[in-house]
Amino acid sequence: RKEVEQDPGPFNVPEGATVAFNCTYSNSASQSFFWYRQDCRKEPKLLMSVYSSGNEDGRFTAQLNRASQYISLLIRDSKLSDSATYLCVFYRRGSARQLTFGSGTQLTVLP
Amino acid sequence: GAVVSQHPSWVICKSGTSVKIECRSLDFQATTMFWYRQFPKQSLMLMATSNEGSKATYEQGVEKDKFLINHASLTLSTLTVTSAHPEDSSFYICSANRDNYEQYFGPGTRLTVT
Repeated sequence: RKEVEQDPGPFNVPEGATVAFNCTYSNSASQSFFWYRQDCRKEPKLLMSVYSSGNEDGRFTAQLNRASQYISLLIRDSKLSDSATYLCVFYRRGSARQLTFGSGTQLTVLP
Repeated sequence: GAVVSQHPSWVICKSGTSVKIECRSLDFQATTMFWYRQFPKQSLMLMATSNEGSKATYEQGVEKDKFLINHASLTLSTLTVTSAHPEDSSFYICSANRDNYEQYFGPGTRLTVT
């Protein structure tokens, strides 16, 4: 079983829609979780960290469910500029800050 | 502004030649840098962890004699792809940690081996 599994999509949604991605992980020692965004042919950029209590940043809401071992990202009121690949990422405890990346979920917001 | 730079941003080379890619942390010192490779439509795969002043730690399946890593200073790590072949064509990205868990990524180097 892969350490991190994401639905690759693509998700094609109209502007203004709400869209949610999930990511499951298999290693219970996973400690810190993040969502990164990667545009085509660019490096990944941190979108937000994911906290156990859930956290929100504008139109973006991230949640962590340790019992079920998944994290989620909700995007409200989608903009054209949200089109990108969204990567779920985590650190393992004791991994010397090595990140493990999911394969990414591709989102296209349509006008 | 960018906190990690990479050079070159793209390179085309002939099969059998070697290519050196530089990764620099611009305004902070990084004792650890990471090298990733990303093939089209795939996620980033960690190749190796570069440790300043000591040998790099390679992930399983990555040939250390083919991908030479040198981390001679706290702001510079280099990756040399030796005797490159077309299957080495990929997007190579480095990253560096600041004093927290956030990693900053370089803009990547697109390598094409003909």
